[in-house]
Amino acid sequence: EVQLVESGGGLVQPGGSLRLSCAASGFTVSSHYMYWVRQAPGKGLEWVSVIYGGGTTYYADSVKGRFTVSRDTSKNTLYLQMTTLRVDDTAVYYCARDLQRPSDYWGQGTLVSVSS
Amino acid sequence: AIQMTQSPSSLSASVGDRVTITCRASQGIRNDLGWYQQKPGKAPKLLIYSASTLQSGVPSRFSGSGSGTDFTLTISSLQPEDFATYYCLHDYNYPYSFGQGTKLEIK
Repeated sequence: EVQLVESGGGLVQPGGSLRLSCAASGFTVSSHYMYWVRQAPGKGLEWVSVIYGGGTTYYADSVKGRFTVSRDTSKNTLYLQMTTLRVDDTAVYYCARDLQRPSDYWGQGTLVSVSS
Repeated sequence: AIQMTQSPSSLSASVGDRVTITCRASQGIRNDLGWYQQKPGKAPKLLIYSASTLQSGVPSRFSGSGSGTDFTLTISSLQPEDFATYYCLHDYNYPYSFGQGTKLEIK
């Protein structure tokens, strides 16, 4: 059974850092396109980043230079390293597999709150 | 970056109604567009990809159409479980972007 379980969210001060994890089971992370999507409280969805099977990455302009997506194949886990966090980075962060493909699958999300 | 403009932002309808939601891209995106349904506290669920292909397991009352810059999601006969928020998403190039969302409420 396919599962994606995010963790690592929490409260952090502006300017701080946080690393989110997305543990996958039922498939191999390195064989799929893996995404991060976020949703600020009461707001719409925002695409954040992608990592290809070969390791190529892309980012939204709003996070470029501050966020880094990576994966650990031995742990079958996707990561999002977030630095220089801002108040407007407050959101539920979802990891997802193969957006808009038949194998599309999402985790349940983890909440990141950036506040002093 | 491509901007997606979705309308309406909210919509009141009754069970059995036919509803249409539209999404317009700021430039041509072929048919590289999908539609998601999201219920409160839940992750989005894919309904349609490649503009008109129904995701497996999604009821046939959902349909999508369009190409280029203008796209529509149609629900032919609203059911109680369809009241949710709907988003379009383009995957033509990076960065991907979502529409602002359409909240479908019970009249």
